[in-house]
Amino acid sequence: AQSVTQLDSQVPVFEEAPVELRCNYSSSVSVYLFWYVQYPNQGLQLLLKYLSGSTLVESINGFEAEFNKSQTSFHLRKPSVHISDTAEYFCAVSWMNTDKLIFGTGTRLQVFP
Amino acid sequence: DVKVTQSSRYLVKRTGEKVFLECVQDMDHENMFWYRQDPGLGLRLIYFSYDVKMKEKGDIPEGYSVSREKKERFSLILESASTNQTSMYLCASPPGTSGRGYEQYFGPGTRLTVT
Repeated sequence: AQSVTQLDSQVPVFEEAPVELRCNYSSSVSVYLFWYVQYPNQGLQLLLKYLSGSTLVESINGFEAEFNKSQTSFHLRKPSVHISDTAEYFCAVSWMNTDKLIFGTGTRLQVFP
Repeated sequence: DVKVTQSSRYLVKRTGEKVFLECVQDMDHENMFWYRQDPGLGLRLIYFSYDVKMKEKGDIPEGYSVSREKKERFSLILESASTNQTSMYLCASPPGTSGRGYEQYFGPGTRLTVT
């Protein structure tokens, strides 16, 4: 069955430190990959996505994620986090020609001063 | 900007009540989705619709039904609310099918408490 795994439910980190949020999925066959972010008391919004082409994708606020087909991973990284990055992050995968988006269980990033 | 709105941010209902959660999108999208979000479980798909009067069951449809009479509006119905339906409910709408790489645009969510 298709599945998405986010092993870390919570990631505490100090401001200006680097962070990596991990995401693995069950099959590398023809996938589209997404990271969504949910700030407190808000809905989800798209952070970045991989559809094709360069395996490294970037967001406007300094996050990046790399599609690794052999490891079926799409880890999210930021070299230096800010307090304002405190949020819950969801990895999501869509398999080509399906209607559904499968979400991971989420990782709560807590940035401390 | 795509806008997805949900009728209530917070809702408190009693066990056994019939509950309607409304979602409206303003971008003429064909596809609309209802999820519930629970701590440690992420987002789980309840129902989705790819056209007016069309609906498909998601992964956890039990205890829910949906209605799509107009393209812009997708309603989630809890026929007889139970305490295990206390959750955050999120509506989403993509401009095309997820299987072609379209992102989903989310509403702000409705936090439903059933007492």
